[in-house]
Amino acid sequence: GENVEQHPSTLSVQEGDSAVIKCTYSDSASNYFPWYKQELGKGPQLIIDIRSNVGEKKDQRIAVTLNKTAKHFSLHITETQPEDSAVYFCAASTGSGYSTLTFGKGTMLLVSP
Amino acid sequence: DAGVIQSPRHEVTEMGQEVTLRCKPISGHDYLFWYRQTMMRGLELLIYFNNNVPIDDSGMPEDRFSAKMPNASFSTLKIQPSEPRDSAVYFCASSFFRSGGGEQYFGPGTRLTVT
Repeated sequence: GENVEQHPSTLSVQEGDSAVIKCTYSDSASNYFPWYKQELGKGPQLIIDIRSNVGEKKDQRIAVTLNKTAKHFSLHITETQPEDSAVYFCAASTGSGYSTLTFGKGTMLLVSP
Repeated sequence: DAGVIQSPRHEVTEMGQEVTLRCKPISGHDYLFWYRQTMMRGLELLIYFNNNVPIDDSGMPEDRFSAKMPNASFSTLKIQPSEPRDSAVYFCASSFFRSGGGEQYFGPGTRLTVT
């Protein structure tokens, strides 16, 4: 089955800096890659996703890049703010038809004022 | 839409008791998922339904766990009897069909503590 590795497990940055979280996946058939943000005491919230027919997608301060050849994808957050502090999860989904998500272990991002 | 609704938000029970967690998915979504989250194991998929039918329950840890979806707007996850190792946060998520995977929307979770 699919295996998703996520790094780093924790990331500390100063407000205004950029943050990058990286994930690798094992199944070359994977074609959908969402990112979730989980704040303390809440459920994961979908913040951005990318499908295999594009290499990059942006939404204001966040962007995701995908390299299918290397089987890795990354989340980029620019101009970080304290409210960006949370746990971020990457995930991958395989195959045609419907398939379930395999999640990474998560990255705790701490943004210091 | 109010999003995915779960109840209760917190549950504390004694070992051996029956626990029932409830979920109302987003209207119009045809997939429903139950996940368990712990520090050690992260997010684990327990079971998922399509159009109220269980599709894959291979993630259900033991026969003590069961899930039902009697209609498109309601699902339950039951643990009987509960054990301390079942303590975790349980999430329900819903999605609509899209080839290769649809966006999943999570509820706020139920924090279960079994003493």
